[in-house]
Amino acid sequence: RKEVEQDPGPFNVPEGATVAFNCTYSNSASQSFFWYRQDCRKEPKLLMSVYSSGNEDGRFTAQLNRASQYISLLIRDSKLSDSATYLCVVRVGGSYIPTFGRGTSLIVHP
Amino acid sequence: ETGVTQSPTHLIKTRGQQVTLRCSSQSGHNTVSWYQQALGQGPQFIFQYYREEENGRGNFPPRFSGLQFPNYSSELNVNALELDDSALYLCASSLRGPTNTGELFFGEGSRLTVL
Repeated sequence: RKEVEQDPGPFNVPEGATVAFNCTYSNSASQSFFWYRQDCRKEPKLLMSVYSSGNEDGRFTAQLNRASQYISLLIRDSKLSDSATYLCVVRVGGSYIPTFGRGTSLIVHP
Repeated sequence: ETGVTQSPTHLIKTRGQQVTLRCSSQSGHNTVSWYQQALGQGPQFIFQYYREEENGRGNFPPRFSGLQFPNYSSELNVNALELDDSALYLCASSLRGPTNTGELFFGEGSRLTVL
């Protein structure tokens, strides 16, 4: 089983839609969680960290479910510019080495 | 921009050759990580350097090696190149310390094609 698993998609949604991605992780000692965004042929960039209580940044909401070992990303009111690959990143406690999922591709169409 | 620069941006090599990729980390960062990203895949961890020492290694063979210099810049060397080494090689710098947020700052990558 992979350490971090994501549905690669693509998720194809119209502008204005709400879309959610899940990511599961296998190591129960995982302590830090992040979502990165990667545009086509570009480098990944931090979108948001994921906190235990859940957190929101504008149209983006991240949630953590430790019992089921998954994190989620919800995007409301999708924009064309949200089209990208969303990478789930997990770091085990005591380690400085994050592990990336393969990413979920989102395509927002007019 | 992250302040992390990588060179070269693109290069083409043939099987069996050797390649050196370079990375200048963001000012103030003491840790450099290297990732390999094949098409359609997530970044795969190669190794990490902290204060000039290797601090963790992923599932890559010994022909992948690296260095970190006193100014925290880094090199990734790959010997005996294979076709499957064709990928985007990403360098990420970060700051390890009491206020470490865990955020990685990536360079734009070096795209290697092995023929």
